[in-house]
Amino acid sequence: EVQLVESGGGLVQPGGSLRLSCAASGFTVSINYMSWVRQAAGKGLEWVSVIYSGGRTYYADSVKGRFTISRDNSKNTVYLQMSSLRGDDTAVYYCAREGLGSSGYYHGYWGQGTLVTVSS
Amino acid sequence: QSALTQPASVSGSPGQSITISCTGTSSDVGGYNYVSWYQQQPGKAPKVIIYEVTNRPSGVSYRFSGSKSGNTASLTIFGLQAEDEADYYCSSYTTSSTFVFGTGTKVTV
Repeated sequence: EVQLVESGGGLVQPGGSLRLSCAASGFTVSINYMSWVRQAAGKGLEWVSVIYSGGRTYYADSVKGRFTISRDNSKNTVYLQMSSLRGDDTAVYYCAREGLGSSGYYHGYWGQGTLVTVSS
Repeated sequence: QSALTQPASVSGSPGQSITISCTGTSSDVGGYNYVSWYQQQPGKAPKVIIYEVTNRPSGVSYRFSGSKSGNTASLTIFGLQAEDEADYYCSSYTTSSTFVFGTGTKVTV
């Protein structure tokens, strides 16, 4: 069974840093693409970043240069290193895995989310 | 990386059908058949209900149907039920190897 468990969220001051973790089970993170998606309170979903099986990484313009996605194959875990945090980064952050199917270009599995609050 | 455009809200009576539109560009919705739809209940993680424009994952009701024409995708819910009340989001893979979500639609039954 595919499971994704996020952790690392919390309260951080503006300008600070935080690292989110997404521990995966039931599959291998290195052979699937993994994304981070966030949702501010009462707002819609916003795609943040993706790491593909080959290691390529991409980011939303809103986080480019401040966030870094990575993975540790030995721990079967994906990370999101966030720095220079701002108030508008406050959101629930979800980890998601590619879906099944011919292309897999959709998010078929989601974690429960971890809350990041940026405030002084 | 502009969000795909969806109506803010759609409502219908039990048993009716409703359609939610999702408008993008030739760089996302119109560029590939990689449009997906997600249902999100309050306080829960999103759940995929349609992928690759028209495909339903195992376990998703046949009452959910997807389609696409040009740069606009659509989700139709047939035979609306009280349990369908939720937020719905479209999403697309893009020509930049990224993803984009829609603005979201609140469905009221």
